[in-house]
Amino acid sequence: DIQMTQSPSFLSASVGERVTLSCKASQNINKYLDWYQQKLGEAPKLLIYNTNNLHTGIPSRFSGSGSGTDYTLTISSLQPEDVATYFCLQRNSWPNTFGAGTKLELK
Amino acid sequence: QVQLQQSGAELAKPGSSVKISCKASGYTFTSYYISWIKQTTGQGLEYIGYINTGSGGTNYNEKFKGKATLTVDKSSSTAFMQLSSLTPDDSAVYYCARRATPDYWGQGVMVTVSS
Repeated sequence: DIQMTQSPSFLSASVGERVTLSCKASQNINKYLDWYQQKLGEAPKLLIYNTNNLHTGIPSRFSGSGSGTDYTLTISSLQPEDVATYFCLQRNSWPNTFGAGTKLELK
Repeated sequence: QVQLQQSGAELAKPGSSVKISCKASGYTFTSYYISWIKQTTGQGLEYIGYINTGSGGTNYNEKFKGKATLTVDKSSSTAFMQLSSLTPDDSAVYYCARRATPDYWGQGVMVTVSS
């Protein structure tokens, strides 16, 4: 199975700050990489699919980039409602596999 | 709007089975696969498999073969996952979601396996 490594595991940032989260695959996943946001007690919510496509209704402050094995989720200006855990998911090889998550908190 | 409504929490004994439901609304049920995902504190999110809601064809993560059985009832736009031979390691929150790129998720079902 492809291993997905997210970093950092925990991040503390201030409102308005630019935040970058990383996801590294154990092999090339050909941009089949999605990002999810999970708030406490809720189901995950799709933010970005296929590396850089914003899902319906997701604010434009969220963006994604990457290729090969290295992918990034960027929040251009952190808002209080962005406090959550963020997961990446690769769909290039079966079984699809998730990263362990980055927990984002406000400083 | 797309909604996936899952059944309620389950408390089950080791060795027993549970069957979780996932009722879809707000879209054409047979146009999209349904995926199933397990979440635990220790193992994180794990992809169990998905079912083609039109044909009933399935694809399972090897890890969950023999553990999970995915089915659908097209007449009620409902997907099901049966978990068998339960052990404490099966205690988790189980989600259904639309599509193999899960775009809309159910609220999750907590399954607790305990004697």
